[in-house]
Amino acid sequence: DAGVIQSPRHEVTEMGQEVTLRCKPISGHNSLFWYRQTMMRGLELLIYFNNNVPIDDSGMPEDRFSAKMPNASFSTLKIQPSEPRDSAVYFCASSLGLAAINEQFFGPGTRLTVL
Amino acid sequence: LAKTTQPISMDSYEGQEVNITCSHNNIATNDYITWYQQFPSQGPRFIIQGYKTKVTNEVASLFIPADRKSSTLSLPRVSLSDTAVYYCLVDPSAGGYNKLIFGAGTRLAVHP
Repeated sequence: DAGVIQSPRHEVTEMGQEVTLRCKPISGHNSLFWYRQTMMRGLELLIYFNNNVPIDDSGMPEDRFSAKMPNASFSTLKIQPSEPRDSAVYFCASSLGLAAINEQFFGPGTRLTVL
Repeated sequence: LAKTTQPISMDSYEGQEVNITCSHNNIATNDYITWYQQFPSQGPRFIIQGYKTKVTNEVASLFIPADRKSSTLSLPRVSLSDTAVYYCLVDPSAGGYNKLIFGAGTRLAVHP
């Protein structure tokens, strides 16, 4: 298996632009997670899905952030409009399920820079 | 929600055994203890998970005392490639999964 696939790997955009990050989970995994990592705040869980349904989005910083999972093999995280403080590495992870015993497999991340 | 505390950084030399201790005084009955490793410019990677006593795999060992208020990740004979950040997490059971917190982790530097 190719593992969790994220695209793009790097994104540089200007403030106010829309940014869309993409994730393809490991085939057969039912749960998908979006994280954000910065030096100041570390690794933060933004939102997670189970069977394509959003379970908890309490980690999403504000209404400018939205996430969708239209099917079991694809998810997007959108920021509109983007701001410089959104600059971070965004990770997508997937697991077989939500139970604690299921390890999460992380993608390589998308490094976002908002100028 | 169980909070974890672990050293910010540690230094070691190649070939030594490294033990990283994590405290989780408020761990709940159904919580698992999980450790992840993160190399620079990569996503975290699962290392080991346990509930009590000792767990060992090809990468590390995890020691958990009877009261489960702490745990120790043991890396035998480290090499330069073990330089990474190590996160201790207390995983709630399925009902409380939305509160998975990575924390600052322990930055391990292995020297030649």
